[in-house]
Amino acid sequence: GQQLNQSPQSMFIQEGEDVSMNCTSSSIFNTWLWYKQDPGEGPVLLIALYKAGELTSNGRLTAQFGITRKDSFLNISASIPSDVGIYFCAGLTWMDSSYKLIFGSGTRLLVRP
Amino acid sequence: KAGVTQTPRYLIKTRGQQVTLSCSPISGHRSVSWYQQTPGQGLQFLFEYFSETQRNKGNFPGRFSGRQFSNSRSEMNVSTLELGDSALYLCASSSTPGAGEQFFGPGTRLTVL
Repeated sequence: GQQLNQSPQSMFIQEGEDVSMNCTSSSIFNTWLWYKQDPGEGPVLLIALYKAGELTSNGRLTAQFGITRKDSFLNISASIPSDVGIYFCAGLTWMDSSYKLIFGSGTRLLVRP
Repeated sequence: KAGVTQTPRYLIKTRGQQVTLSCSPISGHRSVSWYQQTPGQGLQFLFEYFSETQRNKGNFPGRFSGRQFSNSRSEMNVSTLELGDSALYLCASSSTPGAGEQFFGPGTRLTVL
């Protein structure tokens, strides 16, 4: 079945550093999404990407929808302590009036002040 | 605008019991999806309801069921609980089915003893 490979699994960085994480798949997706989950909370949508090649920013976050439609990356610039959390990618695909939304396994980000 | 609310936030049950979880979507959202989140399996899609009808379903056994009411509130039921059902159950709402932009609630943490 469809799978998303998200990497890295975890990152421990110094405050102020830039962060990059990505998701790849052997399947094509129509939409890529990036979520952040804080402990004890549900995921919060950060960025949604709808078109191959699309590059979208949300403050210090930038995400891109890969041209092949099989991958996406998320960059965080100048990390701060509140960036700590688990970041999930998700790919949405429509087939025959039904859809699948698949989540990556997450990237745990720790920021050292 | 109030976010997605889930009740209860925490629940402890024993094997063989059944449980009902509740979700109230964002006002105006008619689509509600349910997910199971575990450390080993990540976020897995259970089912989605729209206009009181199940529109999409993941690969979970029949012990997992749900329903949606005319006010878009949704309930999820798990019968004959097993130890492996211990997880964070997340509800997400969106304006239309299969919309990537889903807004998650804080989840219900279910522990099965």
